[in-house]
Amino acid sequence: AQRVTQPEKLLSVFKGAPVELKCNYSYSGSPELFWYVQYSRQRLQLLLRHISRESIKGFTADLNKGETSFHLKKPFAQEEDSAMYYCALSGRSGGSNYKLTFGKGTLLTVNP
Amino acid sequence: DAGITQSPRHKVTETGTPVTLRCHQTENHRYMYWYRQDPGHGLRLIHYSYGVKDTDKGEVSDGYSVSRSKTEDFLLTLESATSSQTSVYFCAISESSGAGYTFGSGTRLTVV
Repeated sequence: AQRVTQPEKLLSVFKGAPVELKCNYSYSGSPELFWYVQYSRQRLQLLLRHISRESIKGFTADLNKGETSFHLKKPFAQEEDSAMYYCALSGRSGGSNYKLTFGKGTLLTVNP
Repeated sequence: DAGITQSPRHKVTETGTPVTLRCHQTENHRYMYWYRQDPGHGLRLIHYSYGVKDTDKGEVSDGYSVSRSKTEDFLLTLESATSSQTSVYFCAISESSGAGYTFGSGTRLTVV
């Protein structure tokens, strides 16, 4: 079975402070991991995928297979980063088709 | 435009009535998914499709059925709506089973 854990439901930081949103996963194979962001009452948008190793809007995430983690980081938070962030894992859980399993999300609030 | 639309955007229905939500895509992607989003649960997969007339269950499929008679349309039916199915429903598409997803804007369903 595949599982994604985001231990923090809420995270509040001040503008300009570093931010780290934690994500741990459980999967027996080689995972593909993603971060999605949802701004207030909008659709989910893909923020990062680990295989591309991009930096989007100043966010980065490194896959640590030893710790089974994929934490999202940004050195200097901005107020417009306030949103719900979901970590997701793409893997096969029985059958031959990959499915995306989401964590429960972390609501990030960046205060002025 | 993300190439994926959901209809209706909002619906209020009575307990025991059937409800059908529609997801329409213009990207010609093979894979389509239905998720529900609930506070404290994140996104949970209801059903998904890996081709025309090819569908499979997700983790919370009870009380839901789906149909995909054309590549571009994926319908979600609540056979007899219950209050526990009050939720925001998101459709997603992907061009391959391991790729990132593109999400629709969601349908807010209230069962009274």
